[in-house]
Amino acid sequence: AQKITQTQPGMFVQEKEAVTLDCTYDTSDPSYGLFWYKQPSSGEMIFLIYQGSYDQQNATEGRYSLNFQKARKSANLVISASQLGDSAMYFCAMREDRDDKIIFGKGTRLHILP
Amino acid sequence: EPEVTQTPSHQVTQMGQEVILRCVPISNHLYFYWYRQILGQKVEFLVSFYNNEISEKSEIFDDQFSVERPDGSNFTLKIRSTKLEDSAMYFCASSEESSGTPKNIQYFGAGTRLSVL
Repeated sequence: AQKITQTQPGMFVQEKEAVTLDCTYDTSDPSYGLFWYKQPSSGEMIFLIYQGSYDQQNATEGRYSLNFQKARKSANLVISASQLGDSAMYFCAMREDRDDKIIFGKGTRLHILP
Repeated sequence: EPEVTQTPSHQVTQMGQEVILRCVPISNHLYFYWYRQILGQKVEFLVSFYNNEISEKSEIFDDQFSVERPDGSNFTLKIRSTKLEDSAMYFCASSEESSGTPKNIQYFGAGTRLSVL
């Protein structure tokens, strides 16, 4: 069965430091995609980054990178040079390529301290 | 930048009433979705929609719910006879690609917060 696990309910990080948000997943399908979404306090769900299961390189989007370790079923999000505006809830998510639905983790609430 | 637009941002209704949540997907997207997030819980998939038909639905999406594409731009979720437990944030999403395509990025709207009293 599909499952996403985010073990860090909350994190506090000093501004300008790098931060890693953990995510592990479980699926029996060899073809899938992994996503990270950001949800600020205003509530919207913002797409950040995507990693396909067959992608050889880790995905990067600006200050966001996805540390994809397929054998460990791990898809950690790394935010470099954190900013105050990065304070939000972050969701790791997965979609098996044959499905429409995205499965979300419980989220990690990130607080960036000035 | 194109975005998914949802209205209203907050809807308050009495238990037993019907509500319609509205969404305008990104203009060149053909695949549409509804998700919900009960306060403090995970985001859950409700339904996907393509070519005027439901593609996939979860067990949550029972006869109380229906979706419609009434015109070329809107996508709606109707909840009949609302219950207290329907209180949640409802997200609409759209994608350019189908589930058969690996890189199917679903872009979400800002959500409608439904409060059932």
